[in-house]
Amino acid sequence: SQQGEEDPQALSIQEGENATMNCSYKTSINNLQWYRQNSGRGLVHLILIRSNEREKHSGRLRVTLDTSKKSSSLLITASRAADTASYFCATGLRGAQKLVFGQGTRLTINP
Amino acid sequence: GAGVSQSPSNKVTEKGKDVELRCDPISGHTALYWYRQSLGQGLEFLIYFQGNSAPDKSGLPSDRFSAERTGGSVSTLTIQRTQQEDSAVYLCASSPDRGPYEQYFGPGTRLTVT
Repeated sequence: SQQGEEDPQALSIQEGENATMNCSYKTSINNLQWYRQNSGRGLVHLILIRSNEREKHSGRLRVTLDTSKKSSSLLITASRAADTASYFCATGLRGAQKLVFGQGTRLTINP
Repeated sequence: GAGVSQSPSNKVTEKGKDVELRCDPISGHTALYWYRQSLGQGLEFLIYFQGNSAPDKSGLPSDRFSAERTGGSVSTLTIQRTQQEDSAVYLCASSPDRGPYEQYFGPGTRLTVT
């Protein structure tokens, strides 16, 4: 079964609004990462949050991590049309280097 | 510097034929990963190489799939006797040997089996 599951599966908002995506996971992690994918090709790393961190910011991105609930959220503020993409969370498991990816959230920003 | 490259970018093959997909990781990255992504789906882990250690093959879906990494750099994913369900985008990623292991992805190879 999937380690990480994103919610919602699809999200459509107006440009300028904020977009929030959630990720839940099952086992203990070392870190959690968020990636963006445009047009079904290569993924781009956005932000990483370690298991001992609760919140992290990068530009218009804000990530939170609640290890007690085994969940994370990605907030994109003041969305732009260029933010239209699929967003994936990936968990780095303790003692392992590989990541386990979720199914992704398809975000559409309407102009 | 140069990112992860993959070739070919697109491959159309007939059912039953063998295919080879190539990945050139970022220079100096010791870890290399192969994933498969079907249309509209998430990433399915296939195989992971770390330095000279034995690869983690736990994600390979069948014995028709194999991969090798020569000289700790370039990797080739081989699919023998391709089936239509093998059609997908095959993504390669690499990461440095020190944590927290952010992965750098190539553009992928879109494989279509007819």
